[in-house]
This record gives sequence, structure tokens and C-alpha cells, in this order.
Amino acid sequence: DAGVTQSPTHLIKTRGQQVTLRCSPKSGHDTVSWYQQALGQGPQFIFQYYEEEERQRGNFPDRFSGHQFPNYSSELNVNALLLGDSALYLCASSLTREWGLEQYFGPGTRLTVT
Amino acid sequence: AQSVAQPEDQVNVAEGNPLTVKCTYSVSGNPYLFWYVQYPNRGLQFLLKYITGDNLVKGSYGFEAEFNKSQTSFHLKKPSALVSDSALYFCAVRDGTDWVTGGGNKLTFGTGTQLKVEL
Repeated sequence: DAGVTQSPTHLIKTRGQQVTLRCSPKSGHDTVSWYQQALGQGPQFIFQYYEEEERQRGNFPDRFSGHQFPNYSSELNVNALLLGDSALYLCASSLTREWGLEQYFGPGTRLTVT
Repeated sequence: AQSVAQPEDQVNVAEGNPLTVKCTYSVSGNPYLFWYVQYPNRGLQFLLKYITGDNLVKGSYGFEAEFNKSQTSFHLKKPSALVSDSALYFCAVRDGTDWVTGGGNKLTFGTGTQLKVEL
């Protein structure tokens, strides 16, 4: 049973560039959430996708956008990268009908902006 | 708004001794509470959760946590620590009514507590 997978593992970008991160949820899960974890901090919620729509959003600017595909996989896009966007980006999946189910996290994508 | 406080940046304990990692929370609806552990350069690994029912919940690797509604706390405990328990621990809260009211199930995390278990 495959867990949550993310790609790429590491990424180096320059300020002003755009980046796309990818996530495949755990088998059977239909909801995907994205979190940003800056160095020495706890994960911060970016947004959540369910049925290909953004269901909930955290306090992140519009430069952060996402998409969910019919197979439940998801992408996180960040435009006009800033140095402060350097972080570990975590994807988590869960199952909608199981309200109390914990979210399962992927290994993350380490983004470095120079 | 919901929030989590982990008052200790680091907890040091000797192997074989009991350990406690503290967490307090604030949420407007029903609290769903979680503990996750993170090893270096890894994602988060689920340990245990409180949704409803018994205030003492047991999880993976011998960890347990006690939910205290009056003190709004959810402290993580283990009777006998192992060196291999050394890692970064995160407490997280979710508003259990969010999904019912059309919201999502976002988690709000604390800043983390580094646990160091020494021989």
C-alpha cells in the first residue's frame, strides 16, 4: 500500500521564478492538504483540495495556488518566488468520509530560493 | 481561530526514565488533537490522536497522551524513554466541527519540541 509520495525531493530556484511541486495521496484517500515548514518552525497550512476544488485556505498570498486532478493527485504552484519561500513543503492526504482520520504526510520537497 | 502551544523547545531525559512533552491548545469547536514525530530530513509520522472517548489515548511505539479539557492540554508521555525516541515532536489541533460546517480539516501545529534521550 503506497503512502504519500512527493516530487521532486529537492529543488533550487532563483528569486522571481515559478515552481511546481507534485503530490500523490495515499491509496484510497481523496483529500490533499499542503503545508509549508520553515526551518525551526512547525508546519503552516497552505490549502486543502477535495473533489478538485480548494476547500480551505490558510494565510498565504495568491502567489500560492494549487490543483487537484481526477485521480486525487495534486500540484502546488508558487509564482514570483521570494527568499522567504525557502522551506520544506509537505503534502498530506486523508479520506473525507472518515472525519476523525489522521492526515498522512509525505516526505516533503525541500525548496531553496537563491 | 485555533492555536497550539508547546512551551518547551527541548526536553532532555535519560534512557529508561519517563518522558513528558507538553501541549496546550485553543479551538472554538470540538478539539481533535494529534501528535506527530519528525526525524531529520523526513516528513511527519503520526503517533496518536484524541477524537472522543477515553481521555487517555495510546499510540505507536509505547507513547500515550492524556486529554484534559479543563486545562486544554494534551501532553505526550512514555513510561520508559529510548535513545531512538530522540526526534522532533509536534502537537496539532483541528476543529472537529469544521468539516460539518463546510470547512476542511486543516491542522494547526505547535512549534515543536526537540526530545533528546541520553544514555
